[in-house]
Amino acid sequence: DQQVKQNSPSLSVQEGRISILNCDYTNSMFDYFLWYKKYPAEGPTFLISISSIKDKNEDGRFTVFLNKSAKHLSLHIVPSQPGDSAVYFCATGSQGNLIFGKGTKLSVKP
Amino acid sequence: DVKVTQSSRYLVKRTGEKVFLECVQDMDHENMFWYRQDPGLGLRLIYFSYDVKMKEKGDIPEGYSVSREKKERFSLILESASTNQTSMYLCASSLQAGTGRGGYTFGSGTRLTVV
Repeated sequence: DQQVKQNSPSLSVQEGRISILNCDYTNSMFDYFLWYKKYPAEGPTFLISISSIKDKNEDGRFTVFLNKSAKHLSLHIVPSQPGDSAVYFCATGSQGNLIFGKGTKLSVKP
Repeated sequence: DVKVTQSSRYLVKRTGEKVFLECVQDMDHENMFWYRQDPGLGLRLIYFSYDVKMKEKGDIPEGYSVSREKKERFSLILESASTNQTSMYLCASSLQAGTGRGGYTFGSGTRLTVV
């Protein structure tokens, strides 16, 4: 059974609007959460992270929200740009290896 | 700038061939990982290594083996390539197992096609 779920395989957003990517996890022991961005034919690159002691972390246009009680995190991109079109993976873990979701493909339309 | 370098970006091999995918990192990281990425299946862990000469099976090790003779180099071996091993292969490294700022650093990937 998947420990990290990204239930939306794809998302399409208009340029300038907000993109919201969601991720659910099952293990309350997970204490660190990350988002990676991946362009075709390239490796994933680290985007933003949050530890379990926080509920929000912001970096420019990117904000990650963590709701521990719901075991849910989300990535907000505001405003969305065409260059943000990529596959986004959430990842989490504690003492072991990172566990990745299956990814959400974001398409930002000009 | 820290790097994880995968030796080939694109590779085409024949069914039954033995295939070597090489990965080198220059960050003195202890941990190295091999993943494959397929549409709809996300990143699946094949093998990982926490130290030189150590290896651990990931979620889908069948048909693969690995070698880590030096700290900076982690090789993935397809003993007898099959068409269902056509995929994007990604190498990653990390300073500490799993979490930590920045998590894993990934290479650019090798797109392997087995014909």
